[in-house]
Amino acid sequence: EDQVTQSPEALRLQEGESSSLNCSYTVSGLRGLFWYRQDPGKGPEFLFTLYSAGEEKEKERLKATLTKKESFLHITAPKPEDSATYLCAVQAWGAGSYQLTFGKGTKLSVIP
Amino acid sequence: GAGVSQSPRYKVAKRGQDVALRCDPISGHVSLFWYQQALGQGPEFLTYFQNEAQLDKSGLPSDRFFAERPEGSVSTLKIQRTQQEDSAVYLCASSWTGEPYNSPLHFGNGTRLTVT
Repeated sequence: EDQVTQSPEALRLQEGESSSLNCSYTVSGLRGLFWYRQDPGKGPEFLFTLYSAGEEKEKERLKATLTKKESFLHITAPKPEDSATYLCAVQAWGAGSYQLTFGKGTKLSVIP
Repeated sequence: GAGVSQSPRYKVAKRGQDVALRCDPISGHVSLFWYQQALGQGPEFLTYFQNEAQLDKSGLPSDRFFAERPEGSVSTLKIQRTQQEDSAVYLCASSWTGEPYNSPLHFGNGTRLTVT
């Protein structure tokens, strides 16, 4: 069974204080790993897709990296508007490969 | 452009009532997914449509849950004889292709169902 574990559950940062969120995964064969951002009362918003170990993608203050067992979302010099819950999800090869398996998320709060 | 639209935004049902939740995907999107998100949890897969065909319904929790997409566009998730454990946010997502790894999912803002 595919599993995704995110840590920490919650993270408070001062504005400008860089940090990383972790996503550990167990999947039979990784087809893709996804990062989403979710604001309160909203649906998840797509950030990145990573396909293979060693891959990195960047968008503004965010950089996602991938190894064979985990992914990191690095946040550089965060701003209050980066406050949200960040969700990690995996898609596996094989039967039922359409579905994404999500972690519980990391709730990020950036304090001015 | 317009995103995925879900209605109603909030629904309160008494235990035992039937409910119907609507999803209007982005125009032209082939794939449509339903996910259930309990408070403090990540979304959990319910079912998947490619055009009008329901290709995967393995995540539906019981036979009280039924989903349809008769014309390959709007979809409805129906829950019969609602129970308290059905209380959650129901998210709809759509994408251009049949493969999330090829084409990112676009989520709606969900319907929050509360069963009293």
